[in-house]
Amino acid sequence: GESVGLHLPTLSVQEGDNSIINCAYSNSASDYFIWYKQESGKGPQFIIDIRSNMDKRQGQRVTVLLNKTVKHLSLQIAATQPGDSAVYFCAETFNKGKLIFGQGTELSVKP
Amino acid sequence: NAGVTQTPKFQVLKTGQSMTLQCAQDMNHEYMSWYRQDPGMGLRLIHYSVGAGITDQGEVPNGYNVSRSTTEDFPLRLLSAAPSQTSVYFCASSSGTSRYNSPLHFGNGTRLTVT
Repeated sequence: GESVGLHLPTLSVQEGDNSIINCAYSNSASDYFIWYKQESGKGPQFIIDIRSNMDKRQGQRVTVLLNKTVKHLSLQIAATQPGDSAVYFCAETFNKGKLIFGQGTELSVKP
Repeated sequence: NAGVTQTPKFQVLKTGQSMTLQCAQDMNHEYMSWYRQDPGMGLRLIHYSVGAGITDQGEVPNGYNVSRSTTEDFPLRLLSAAPSQTSVYFCASSSGTSRYNSPLHFGNGTRLTVT
């Protein structure tokens, strides 16, 4: 079946380093992808999105890369800070626009 | 601007009891939805609405009802609670009827335990 998944369930990085969180998707028809950040006890918070007609999109300290050839999505966080510690989800849309979420990767930032 | 507000934050029910989870948004969003989040399962869509008076089922609708009488409110009703409905419930909204151009904005969730 169709699925969105994450390569690494946990990621530990040193404060100040760059973080890369990966996501694989299986449906080549997906046309919109979103990254969310979820802190403990809170709802998912929108970080950045990208459409399938783009390969790269940058925000403040974050970059999303989309490789449609291998159906891979990544989130890069520059100069990772303790406040970046959270679970990060990717999500895709297809089939009338309903979002399908991945399982999430937990990012832990060591001071 | 409060965004998406969910009440209550925590709730404990006994099997067979009914209750309504409240969700309100003040962003004039047309699209609203309910998700449940369970360990190892990710976020799963329960019901959604593309506008007042219109609702539709998501992936896991059984045991839940919704209505959309106003743009602002989208309550989720559990008719007869079961332990399998123990979960964290999130309400989310977006500005379009399609999520192609508009990401979902989430509330902070209702943590429900059914004993």
